[in-house]
Amino acid sequence: EPEVTQTPSHQVTQMGQEVILRCVPISNHLYFYWYRQILGQKVEFLVSFYNNEISEKSEIFDDQFSVERPDGSNFTLKIRSTKLEDSAMYFCASSARREGPYNEQFFGPGTRLTVL
Amino acid sequence: GNSVTQMEGPVTLSEEAFLTINCTYTATGYPSLFWYVQYPGEGLQLLLKATKADDKGSNKGFEATYRKETTSFHLEKGSVQVSDSAVYFCALKKVFGYIPTFGRGTSLIVHP
Repeated sequence: EPEVTQTPSHQVTQMGQEVILRCVPISNHLYFYWYRQILGQKVEFLVSFYNNEISEKSEIFDDQFSVERPDGSNFTLKIRSTKLEDSAMYFCASSARREGPYNEQFFGPGTRLTVL
Repeated sequence: GNSVTQMEGPVTLSEEAFLTINCTYTATGYPSLFWYVQYPGEGLQLLLKATKADDKGSNKGFEATYRKETTSFHLEKGSVQVSDSAVYFCALKKVFGYIPTFGRGTSLIVHP
């Protein structure tokens, strides 16, 4: 069964460093998403991406964040200068459609980011 | 705005015990309601959903009923197994929306 994969499973970085979290969505999906969950808190929407551009973003997704689909398979989240409060689990998701039938989002296992 | 509140975990049960995980929501209009499950090392998976009041979603022995009068969508299972140990997330999507609003997740631990 097709699945969303994410690498690495755990990333440790120093404050101020740049990190890139990688995701491989399901191959025939067109819509891509990033969410995060700070430990003990809710899963929060960060950004959605379609047709090589951001379609929606939350207040959390500030100038420190960027997303890219560098090739036909990967979808990345970059944090330019990490802060302690960026420590969280980051989930990637993809869906075939945004609304209507086939709009179910399929989630990856997450990347745990620890900023020291 | 929209929000989802779940009971705190972890919930620890013995095998074959009855499970209830409470979920209440705040939303305008009539959202769709969901339960997702995350098994260790895996992504969130849609477990069940309900799209209108009094609908019952069910899957793998789990059930939840959309209760508009109490704004609740409690997850239940009559007899849990060790393999049900996971984190369960309640979520809603507003009408014409596509981004789920999630709760914090409730960890379920089932002992043999």
